[in-house]
Amino acid sequence: SQQGEEDPQALSIQEGENATMNCSYKTSINNLQWYRQNSGRGLVHLILIRSNEREKHSGRLRVTLDTSKKSSSLLITASRAADTASYFCATDDVPNFNKFYFGSGTKLNVKP
Amino acid sequence: GAVVSQHPSRVICKSGTSVKIECRSLDFQATTMFWYRQFPKKSLMLMATSNEGSKATYEQGVEKDKFLINHASLTLSTLTVTSAHPEDSSFYICSARVRGSLHFGNGTRLTVT
Repeated sequence: SQQGEEDPQALSIQEGENATMNCSYKTSINNLQWYRQNSGRGLVHLILIRSNEREKHSGRLRVTLDTSKKSSSLLITASRAADTASYFCATDDVPNFNKFYFGSGTKLNVKP
Repeated sequence: GAVVSQHPSRVICKSGTSVKIECRSLDFQATTMFWYRQFPKKSLMLMATSNEGSKATYEQGVEKDKFLINHASLTLSTLTVTSAHPEDSSFYICSARVRGSLHFGNGTRLTVT
């Protein structure tokens, strides 16, 4: 299974601080994506990084990818209370790139 | 754009009954949709891939007779949980792939009593 692991499982920070979440996966990928989930809701796509990219930025989000270590990190800078949510990484399956497998998620709590 | 609508958002049913969950792509056509199940404080588990006009592809360990999937049109996929039992209680989420990323419905909280 592609399903990866994320750490930490939970992260609590103060507003204004940076939050870093890590994701590891098991086999080859085409791309890796990060999603956000508010409690009891569906997931929202945040950012996609391709396997030949090492870093990508989008607003306050910075994603890195190290394919040699099969790991990725998501950095949220200058966090806000509204960033409180669970964050998941997702990888596609190289033979069946149409399928996505999700990591275990990091629950982020940003205290105002 | 790329809105996925899932209905109902919550359903409570009695053990032994069947429940149907609908997933619609509102402003695009989806030849493929994905059904996930999420346990409390856990990740999403891919259950099956729904293919328009053909049979769904189920992940290993998922009972296809238990979780019936129908994708009769380019905008609608349905998941029917048949003869539901309390252990089927969970959060079910559908999604469709649009230009490389997944767009999700808001999920259905199923409680089987």
